[in-house]
Amino acid sequence: GAGVSQSPSNKVTEKGKDVELRCDPISGHTALYWYRQSLGQGLEFLIYFQGNSAPDKSGLPSDRFSAERTGGSVSTLTIQRTQQEDSAVYLCASSPWTGESSPLHFGNGTRLTVT
Amino acid sequence: QKEVEQNSGPLSVPEGAIASLNCTYSDRGSQSFFWYRQYSGKSPELIMFIYSNGDKEDGRFTAQLNKASQYVSLLIRDSQPSDSATYLCAVIRYGQGNLIFGKGTKLSVKP
Repeated sequence: GAGVSQSPSNKVTEKGKDVELRCDPISGHTALYWYRQSLGQGLEFLIYFQGNSAPDKSGLPSDRFSAERTGGSVSTLTIQRTQQEDSAVYLCASSPWTGESSPLHFGNGTRLTVT
Repeated sequence: QKEVEQNSGPLSVPEGAIASLNCTYSDRGSQSFFWYRQYSGKSPELIMFIYSNGDKEDGRFTAQLNKASQYVSLLIRDSQPSDSATYLCAVIRYGQGNLIFGKGTKLSVKP
């Protein structure tokens, strides 16, 4: 079946511009996660959606970052007034459930470059 | 202290040897532990998870968990060059839904 789909795969933007990154999770997966990975670094948690519950936004690095999930499916991560330090690979993952054995299925990521 | 710590490596082992990857975590409330493999330029993929003390085996992979020592490891038997990748340790804390990842250990298996 189809995996997690992210678009665009690459995005180059100028400092100060806004960007939107999209994630289509695996059908039926109730949990959706956004992480980012800078060069040579581990995965940094950003935000997590589970069903109809309020999202866990504790990982968002600043108020320039926001995300929404419409209809419990597609999610959009928005970065306003981008800065060079926002350059990273943004990874979306979905999971069929949460709890003690919740495998995350990752998309291929969006590589964001802020010039 | 970082929540999840791993030796960044690189860890180099000869083909056919056992590779041992280690991870420590700081929150005693952590309840589930995951090992992901990430090839260069690719997304992480799940290898295995463990949530009970002891060993869990899956093919050439064995995960070991010691909650008292807050330590989890991954053993790869009969290492192959195709195992060369970065291995990420991740934990879920009790009552949380998100995974906290370590920075990963880069493994190189030499033919």
